[in-house]
Amino acid sequence: EAGVAQSPRYKIIEKRQSVAFWCNPISGHATLYWYQQILGQGPKLLIQFQNNGVVDDSQLPKDRFSAERLKGVDSTLKIQPAKLEDSAVYLCASSLSPGVYWGNTGELFFGEGSRLTVL
Amino acid sequence: DQQVKQNSPSLSVQEGRISILNCDYTNSMFDYFLWYKKYPAEGPTFLISISSIKDKNEDGRFTVFLNKSAKHLSLHIVPSQPGDSAVYFCAASAGGGSQGNLIFGKGTKLSVKP
Repeated sequence: EAGVAQSPRYKIIEKRQSVAFWCNPISGHATLYWYQQILGQGPKLLIQFQNNGVVDDSQLPKDRFSAERLKGVDSTLKIQPAKLEDSAVYLCASSLSPGVYWGNTGELFFGEGSRLTVL
Repeated sequence: DQQVKQNSPSLSVQEGRISILNCDYTNSMFDYFLWYKKYPAEGPTFLISISSIKDKNEDGRFTVFLNKSAKHLSLHIVPSQPGDSAVYFCAASAGGGSQGNLIFGKGTKLSVKP
């Protein structure tokens, strides 16, 4: 079974430039998440999709970050304009569905992440 | 305000011995807890979880203990192996295990020496 695919793996940009990250979740997974992991910190949820609808984007800095999940499969996360503090690894994750139920641990499956450096 | 705390940034253990990783939380609404393991340049992978209705869950060499009164959980690895060397994240969620609200700790880097 193919895992969560993310690209690019690494990106270096100047501040005020824009960047986009792409994620392809595990086939059949309805729920998709974007997490931001700053060096030395744990991952922090930015946005959660259920199919192509947004469930939670309360921690997404909407003045510069945007995300979409067209057709309920692939997703893109965009940052425009980037700031120095946006330097982080952006992790995409997917799960069969949100929540825990019998036979499902509710675990998230993470991609390898996209490392962004803003200079 | 950190709701999930892993106060030990690193831990070094000899191969074959027990590794104990600790995690404390402050939010009494958390009802589901998970441990993830992360190797360098890879995404976190799920290790083991526990619901707040239990106090112990075991999976092979890995056991998670939950002490709700102390708001504390721990991960025991017995016996520890060099391949267990990784960063371990404790995570918690509220509201029946809605995974999107996972709150992660900062992680503990485990080194298992041969």
